[in-house]
Amino acid sequence: DTEVTQTPKHLVMGMTNKKSLKCEQHMGHRAMYWYKQKAKKPPELMFVYSYEKLSINESVPSRFSPECPNSSLLNLHLHALQPEDSALYLCASSQKLELYNEQFFGPGTRLTVL
Amino acid sequence: KNEVEQSPQNLTAQEGEFITINCSYSVGISALHWLQQHPGGGIVSLFMLSSGKKKHGRLIATINIQEKHSSLHITASHPRDSAVYICAVTASGSRLTFGEGTQLTVNP
Repeated sequence: DTEVTQTPKHLVMGMTNKKSLKCEQHMGHRAMYWYKQKAKKPPELMFVYSYEKLSINESVPSRFSPECPNSSLLNLHLHALQPEDSALYLCASSQKLELYNEQFFGPGTRLTVL
Repeated sequence: KNEVEQSPQNLTAQEGEFITINCSYSVGISALHWLQQHPGGGIVSLFMLSSGKKKHGRLIATINIQEKHSSLHITASHPRDSAVYICAVTASGSRLTFGEGTQLTVNP
């Protein structure tokens, strides 16, 4: 299984809502990533987990809260978002953070904040 | 100046044409990646290379470490090749630094 899955595919939420994005992989990868991608721009790294511990936080606002409950699962909890947070949220995984190996990307969740 | 520069930004070709997308980088790298992103989102890793040349089907990727330059070639292009092609580098570990992408449109 060389797939990274993400749910939901689309999400529309109001600024007062709380929602979560989910990412799953069963490749035995120990590094998992959240990216934010705006239209016609490359992905921007948000968070990296290595061995289920938060390794990198790219100064992301606290309204985004990541969680890695186990080695296969990565969540992104959303609360009190702003319309400018509307974007494609991509999850990825790789074998290990310290190795230069390829990242496998999920299909993304397209988020719209009203 | 970005650490990873791609050219062209946009490319339109006729079906069957040979296509080249270029990538230059300014940092020392451990690997260079070519990624493909179709409309709708998902990113697919096409190649990861640190030297020489790799081929997969109609796609060929080359890298010149001394010149800090890589090219992605598509032979006998097809409308299904229409996508954004992104060059990315890893300086250490698997953290990626992305170029801005090249939007390729192949017309029938």
